[in-house]
Amino acid sequence: DAKTTQPPSMDCAEGRAANLPCNHSTISGNEYVYWYRQIHSQGPQYIIHGLKNNETNEMASLIITEDRKSSTLILPHATLRDTAVYYCIVIFEGSGNTGKLIFGQGTTLQVKP
Amino acid sequence: EPEVTQTPSHQVTQMGQEVILRCVPISNHLYFYWYRQILGQKVEFLVSFYNNEISEKSEIFDDQFSVERPDGSNFTLKIRSTKLEDSAMYFCASSMRLQGDQPQHFGDGTRLSIL
Repeated sequence: DAKTTQPPSMDCAEGRAANLPCNHSTISGNEYVYWYRQIHSQGPQYIIHGLKNNETNEMASLIITEDRKSSTLILPHATLRDTAVYYCIVIFEGSGNTGKLIFGQGTTLQVKP
Repeated sequence: EPEVTQTPSHQVTQMGQEVILRCVPISNHLYFYWYRQILGQKVEFLVSFYNNEISEKSEIFDDQFSVERPDGSNFTLKIRSTKLEDSAMYFCASSMRLQGDQPQHFGDGTRLSIL
């Protein structure tokens, strides 16, 4: 089972920031937080990841709380093309890791004009 | 930007027939994966593959499934005798290293329809 909890759906107005929360209260010290999205049954697309510090790239920002038990993905200026299912996944790094990703149900983000 | 490519985009097969789904991972990647997504359901892990060996497989990946990297570029998923419940989107992914700090990159999938 996925180790994360996300709201099933959210709406956002076009041009506004979309803030997608994720709860990962059982995360351990050597687990990364990854975000992927899936646009209408296309393959999942990598967005961003982090361990402890906040991260930003050309797509999004990732804010991780100090206790690492939750995080927020921020799309600063959402467009209609950002309508997708967003997945928050915690990934273990260490011996025994085979790279398996466990997807939950994710958050369906609907960006509205 | 390099990408994972999958062929065919849609495969229709009679129940009981063998099917091979093909993937070309990103060229310098070393770790390879297959996932599937039944319509309306979650993306599910099938198998991970490294150094010409299966690293991990899920309960879904039974004796009817096999994977192969026949040359330096292709990565294939074979289903020996397809069942109706094998109908799904199948996604291939690859990564340079194990995550941690290296994301998996996914192809756009093959839609497999079993009649």
